[in-house]
Amino acid sequence: ELKVEQNPLFLSMQEGKNYTIYCNYSTTSDRLYWYRQDPGKSLESLFVLLSNGAVKQEGRLMASLDTKARLSTLHITAAVHDLSATYFCAVELGRQTYGGATNKLIFGTGTLLAVQP
Amino acid sequence: NAGVMQNPRHLVRRRGQEARLRCSPMKGHSHVYWYRQLPEEGLKFMVYLQKENIIDESGMPKERFSAEFPKEGPSILRIQQVVRGDSAAYFCASSPMRNIQYFGAGTRLSVL
Repeated sequence: ELKVEQNPLFLSMQEGKNYTIYCNYSTTSDRLYWYRQDPGKSLESLFVLLSNGAVKQEGRLMASLDTKARLSTLHITAAVHDLSATYFCAVELGRQTYGGATNKLIFGTGTLLAVQP
Repeated sequence: NAGVMQNPRHLVRRRGQEARLRCSPMKGHSHVYWYRQLPEEGLKFMVYLQKENIIDESGMPKERFSAEFPKEGPSILRIQQVVRGDSAAYFCASSPMRNIQYFGAGTRLSVL
């Protein structure tokens, strides 16, 4: 059974600091996603990582993927209060890895990020 | 191009009633996915449908839950005889061709 684990589950950090959220998964996958969710809202797609060594950056967030280690990281640089939210990684099981017709997403447990002024 | 539309946004049901959740995918998207998010948890896959076909229902509870995506109209997730444990946020996502999934705003179901 595929497992996707994130750590930490909760992260309280001060504005201006840097930190990294980790996402480990237990089997190969087609793609890896990072989403942001604000309380009571839907999921906002942040990054899609397709291949080993992929790195993507948007503003203060940078995501990377190491398929050999089955690890993705979301790095936060110089955090600001607006980044406070829950961040999920999700692994896609699709035709390349699952062999079937599906391409469902398996989500991590989420990391609640609280940026303090 | 409107996004994935879900309605209602909030739904309150008493135990034993039926809940119907609707999802209209983005224009041009023929693939629909349903996920459930229990309080303080991540999303869990329920079912994947294409027009008139259920492709993968490996995450659907065996009883009381059903889903459809008819040729015309929205996808429907139906929960019969709801129980308190069904209280959750139900998200629908759509994609054009087993590609990136775009999520709707969700339906928050509360069972009294």
